[in-house]
Amino acid sequence: EAAVTQSPRNKVTVTGGNVTLSCRQTNSHNYMYWYRQDTGHGLRLIHYSYGAGNLQIGDVPDGYKATRTTQEDFFLLLELASPSQTSLYFCASTPNTGQLYFGEGSKLTVL
Amino acid sequence: GQQVQQSPASLVLQEGENAELQCNFSTSLNSMQWFYQRPGGSLVSLFYNPSGTKHSGRLTSTTVIKERRSSLHISSSQTTDSGTYLCALEDVGDNSKLIWGLGTSLVVNP
Repeated sequence: EAAVTQSPRNKVTVTGGNVTLSCRQTNSHNYMYWYRQDTGHGLRLIHYSYGAGNLQIGDVPDGYKATRTTQEDFFLLLELASPSQTSLYFCASTPNTGQLYFGEGSKLTVL
Repeated sequence: GQQVQQSPASLVLQEGENAELQCNFSTSLNSMQWFYQRPGGSLVSLFYNPSGTKHSGRLTSTTVIKERRSSLHISSSQTTDSGTYLCALEDVGDNSKLIWGLGTSLVVNP
């Protein structure tokens, strides 16, 4: 069973604060994704990557940076957090295309 | 407009009843995936189903590409089936990203 681990699981910050969400997968999957989930909008893709050093722009990238430092690690960065970024964030991975494996989610609240 | 439509948006069952969840799509696809999301929790893949019918316990997924629909059948529902069911399709034009439906919220009462 593929393992995707996110941290932190819960984070509260203030407007303008810096936040880094971390994701690690231990199955040598090529693709990794960052999504946000909001009521009424479903899952929306922020950024994704198909390997170390690679970054692809998703559907809602504004206000977010991401970096894939290794095959295992994918980070989502909010450098000037805003209340509109309050959301539930999910990381996911897949070998190439096909079945997607999700982390447990990171709940972010921006006050 | 929304390329993936799920119905119904919500459903309430008595334990033991069956459920049929639908996913209709307006674009060509490589495959359809069904996920289950625990209340307030993560997503778990139920089926990765390019076409045809797949079974897993009390769950059956059927995807008919030419009719642009996929269904998830839950038989003999249990309270632990409560949660949200999401479908997502892999677009034939860009298989690196999934196109998601908004989900069906299922409540199974004892």
